Amino acid sequence: NAGVTQTPKFRVLKTGQSMTLLCAQDMNHEYMYWYRQDPGMGLRLIHYSVGEGTTAKGEVPDGYNVSRLKKQNFLLGLESAAPSQTSVYFCASSYILDTEAFFGQGTRLTVV
Amino acid sequence: KQEVTQIPAALSVPEGENLVLNCSFTDSAIYNLQWFRQDPGKGLTSLLLIQSSQREQTSGRLNASLDKSSGRSTLYIAASQPGDSATYLCAFDKGGGADGLTFGKGTHLIIQP
Repeated sequence: NAGVTQTPKFRVLKTGQSMTLLCAQDMNHEYMYWYRQDPGMGLRLIHYSVGEGTTAKGEVPDGYNVSRLKKQNFLLGLESAAPSQTSVYFCASSYILDTEAFFGQGTRLTVV
Repeated sequence: KQEVTQIPAALSVPEGENLVLNCSFTDSAIYNLQWFRQDPGKGLTSLLLIQSSQREQTSGRLNASLDKSSGRSTLYIAASQPGDSATYLCAFDKGGGADGLTFGKGTHLIIQP
């Protein structure tokens, strides 16, 4: 049971570089989410998707883009990384309303 | 903006004690409430989900309750063990899947052997 898998687990970027974080789930979940976790701030929602081909902005979407071309994958892109995007990124998924959310193991991103 | 407060922020107790973690929210218009556990450097593990029509859930030594009218949820851990040491997070959603979960900042729990 893989559940929710995030790739990569660690990454160091230079300011201005771009990268894509991949989230894959094998539970046939409709809803997928990207959060960031920062010390003293808790987890905050970046973007989410309620189904294949759909995306929507969360609480802190600036500087990020997402795509959900396949139901099982949710990609988070940073076009021009900034030090303020240094964080731990978590992907989550849930089946439908009223069901629990499952989280990946996180991606620790450092922008220097 | 809805806020979620978890008290205490940190707690250290000897093994074997029963303990209560608190979660309060400012708006009673929540739908589901979920408790998670996070180990250092790891992801979040779901512990209990209290769905919109429920008031409590139990799993093993864990019991979570929800009182929407007072804006409170509690997580009760019975007979604590060193393996329970982790950060415990509560989170709620407003239904429909939109806007995801709103999280508290967590309670860092240490169980002393």
